Amino acid sequence: KNQVEQSPQSLIILEGKNCTLQCNYTVSPFSNLRWYKQDTGRGPVSLTIMTFSENTKSNGRYTATLDADTKQSSLHITASQLSDSASYICVVSPVNYGGATNKLIFGTGTLLAVQP
Amino acid sequence: SQTIHQWPATLVQPVGSPLSLECTVEGTSNPNLYWYRQAAGRGLQLLFYSVGIGQISSEVPQNLSASRPQDRQFILSSKKLLLSDSGFYLCAWSVRLTGDYEQYFGPGTRLTVT
Repeated sequence: KNQVEQSPQSLIILEGKNCTLQCNYTVSPFSNLRWYKQDTGRGPVSLTIMTFSENTKSNGRYTATLDADTKQSSLHITASQLSDSASYICVVSPVNYGGATNKLIFGTGTLLAVQP
Repeated sequence: SQTIHQWPATLVQPVGSPLSLECTVEGTSNPNLYWYRQAAGRGLQLLFYSVGIGQISSEVPQNLSASRPQDRQFILSSKKLLLSDSGFYLCAWSVRLTGDYEQYFGPGTRLTVT
C-alpha cells in the first residue's frame, strides 16, 4: 500500500534555530516528491519538488533532500522565523502509467511552531 | 497570473441540510480541477477531479457530488450533509493531469456540520 509517513508530528523550536523534518514513503515507483507549507486555515503552498533522480533542492532557507534507495526525504529549515510556523506536508506522486489521475499521496504533516 | 478562489471561507450547516461549495480559477484555460478534503490529523484525500466541462471522476464513494458547469468553475455539493462531512475542503488546479505537474491550491473552506 502506498503510504507517506512524517515525523515528528509536531515540533517547537526557538526563532533563529534550525530544524529538520522527516518523511518516509513506501510509494514505488514514484515520479516526484514535494514538500508543501500549509499555514493554519489556508491551502498548501509548494516549497520544493524533486524527481526521483534528484538528491537535493533548495528554496531560500528551505532545503529538501531525497534518498530514493532508503525512501526517505527530509526538509531542513535554516535560521527559522516566526512566519515558518505552519504545517509541512510531504507529498509523493506515483508514476502515472497512462492513468487518468494525478493522484498525489499526502502525508499527515508536521506541525512546526517557532517561538520568539 | 493564475489565481484560484473558493467560497465561502467558513460554513456551519446542520445535519441533513444541502451543501454547495464553489471554486473558480482565473488566468488559465482548460485547467484540471480537483476537490480534496482534509480531516483533522489526516492527510488530504482526493474526492473528485475533472479534466473538462461536465467531466467528473469520483475517487471515493461518499455523500458528495461535484459538477463543472464552466471551464474554470468547480462545484462541490451534497443533498443531505452528514456529521462525517465536516472538514477542510480544498480546491486545486493543474495544467496537466499527470504527476509531473504542479497542483495549486485554493484558500479552502472550513465546513462544520452540527
